[in-house]
Amino acid sequence: DAGITQSPRHKVTETGTPVTLRCHQTENHRYMYWYRQDPGHGLRLIHYSYGVKDTDKGEVSDGYSVSRSKTEDFLLTLESATSSQTSVYFCAISGDSSGGLPYEQYFGPGTRLTVT
Amino acid sequence: AQSVTQPDIHITVSEGASLELRCNYSYGATPYLFWYVQSPGQGLQLLLKYFSGDTLVQGIKGFEAEFKRSQSSFNLRKPSVHWSDAAEYFCAVVPTGGGNKLTFGTGTQLKVEL
Repeated sequence: DAGITQSPRHKVTETGTPVTLRCHQTENHRYMYWYRQDPGHGLRLIHYSYGVKDTDKGEVSDGYSVSRSKTEDFLLTLESATSSQTSVYFCAISGDSSGGLPYEQYFGPGTRLTVT
Repeated sequence: AQSVTQPDIHITVSEGASLELRCNYSYGATPYLFWYVQSPGQGLQLLLKYFSGDTLVQGIKGFEAEFKRSQSSFNLRKPSVHWSDAAEYFCAVVPTGGGNKLTFGTGTQLKVEL
């Protein structure tokens, strides 16, 4: 298994509070991703990083920010949590594309976040 | 609009029966195609992928998938399902020239009856 951990694994928080989720990898992969998983929507990309301090928005980035100050850690922050952000959040990592072909993404175990 | 569709939300099969999960895509050019599996409470694991070449792709756990350009489909198959195959299955694509960004279908939940 790829060395990806997520913390916390479960969190319950109140509306309006800030929340930070952490993804940590031991693979030294360049790319890191945050997805959210909701019934009927599959997984949707929130933000991704293509290197230290290099990040970009995904499909559902509103209300989320990210930071990557070192290769192994990618943080997802909900500045002011809302009930619509109740979801399961997955981190993924991948290496560089090879010959322009996409590289396999490895997924972490997920964080279940409930906003009450 | 570009999209990937999994028409079946739930499928139930008996153990030992064959399985086919459907995936259709709508992209101008054939994207790169993937199937992932998610066991309950777990992250996703790659089953197989198609980039080019032979249209029948073999994956892990005895799964295979066939790419059909004329039907814009990439259906996942297994000849004989085991109870441990019960999970959620996701088709995903990366558009040609789209780097590493995956777009997922909504998933198919597989139940296996003993």
